[in-house]
Amino acid sequence: GAGVSQSPSNKVTEKGKDVELRCDPISGHTALYWYRQRLGQGLEFLIYFQGNSAPDKSGLPSDRFSAERTGESVSTLTIQRTQQEDSAVYLCASSLGPPRSEAFFGQGTRLTVV
Amino acid sequence: RKEVEQDPGPFNVPEGATVAFNCTYSNSASQSFFWYRQDCRKEPKLLMSVYSSGNEDGRFTAQLNRASQYISLLIRDSKLSDSATYLCVVNFGNEKLTFGTGTRLTIIP
Repeated sequence: GAGVSQSPSNKVTEKGKDVELRCDPISGHTALYWYRQRLGQGLEFLIYFQGNSAPDKSGLPSDRFSAERTGESVSTLTIQRTQQEDSAVYLCASSLGPPRSEAFFGQGTRLTVV
Repeated sequence: RKEVEQDPGPFNVPEGATVAFNCTYSNSASQSFFWYRQDCRKEPKLLMSVYSSGNEDGRFTAQLNRASQYISLLIRDSKLSDSATYLCVVNFGNEKLTFGTGTRLTIIP
């Protein structure tokens, strides 16, 4: 596709529900990143995929968070039993991977847990 | 010490002025460096990559100082549209892009 696409763009969910966020990277991009950005804060790294493997998942804040990727395509970030502190914008980015690693972001999913 | 550190600002600068930001990083083995800008409630967008020899793109100049482990961004003849948060980004060689918390810039008419 022309750019990184994320869906939904906005999600309001009740505390305790599970949510699934989707990211479609730029075609041909092998690397895919998930970040979280709380209101007025910086970007917080969650997980990085190279192809469909995740060499670095150190940023996942708890075992309620998981992510997977199918080949070098779509990725989903799942948050189970959502809590209010999960409210944030979840940003996905993709890149060609080494040696050129400029990353391009999707518009994000704004998650609100009520 | 944070892996990537930036002065959060805010920097309030009159239109037409020159403004510079620095960013320091903790790992001397870092391989790639970038500047991104982020507008309010928008996603970050790549502004420019930073090369060892320094590079320029119009009014923007980026420089890398490996010995002192910092990168800089210089904006000349600043425009109102330059108002944004500027994010320093470092690839420490593990392909995980680490973001600074950003420097907020406001250009004043």
